[in-house]
Amino acid sequence: QKEVEQDPGPLSVPEGAIVSLNCTYSNSAFQYFMWYRQYSRKGPELLMYTYSSGNKEDGRFTAQVDKSSKYISLFIRDSQPSDSATYLCASSGNTGKLIFGQGTTLQVKP
Amino acid sequence: GAVVSQHPSWVICKSGTSVKIECRSLDFQATTMFWYRQFPKQSLMLMATSNEGSKATYEQGVEKDKFLINHASLTLSTLTVTSAHPEDSSFYICSARRASGLADYNEQFFGPGTRLTVL
Repeated sequence: QKEVEQDPGPLSVPEGAIVSLNCTYSNSAFQYFMWYRQYSRKGPELLMYTYSSGNKEDGRFTAQVDKSSKYISLFIRDSQPSDSATYLCASSGNTGKLIFGQGTTLQVKP
Repeated sequence: GAVVSQHPSWVICKSGTSVKIECRSLDFQATTMFWYRQFPKQSLMLMATSNEGSKATYEQGVEKDKFLINHASLTLSTLTVTSAHPEDSSFYICSARRASGLADYNEQFFGPGTRLTVL
């Protein structure tokens, strides 16, 4: 079992839709949870960073962490074609090593 | 802020040659840098953790004599792929951790990646 599981998709939605991206993790020691966006042939860009459980909102993006169920979510409101990319969830404990999910490819159609 | 650069952005080399990739944190000091490789349509796999002034820590299955890592300063780490072979062709990405307090403890900022093609 991988430490961080993520459905690779692809996920296709119409412009303006609410997008829900999800990951599960297995390591109870994980305390830090990140979402990265990666465009083709580019490095990942940090979108959201959460420590422990709870919600965090930044513009159209909301990250949720439920440590009781080991579930990580990213919601994108009013999705735009420019949001089309691969979204990677990542988790880590105090070692600082990031464990990535497989990434979900999102396409937002105009 | 928190910009990480990599050089070169892409490189093509012949089998058996060595290639050096630089990773720089441009506007912050990074005591720790990480090196990843990513194959097409796959996620990032950590290769090694590089701490300034000390030897790198390699992940299981990564040959330390083949992938030489040097972290000479708080803003520069290099990865040298020695005696490269076609199977080393991949997308190599570095990240830098900005250690500025508990909340930032695990924030990693990634470079744009280097695409290596070995002929």
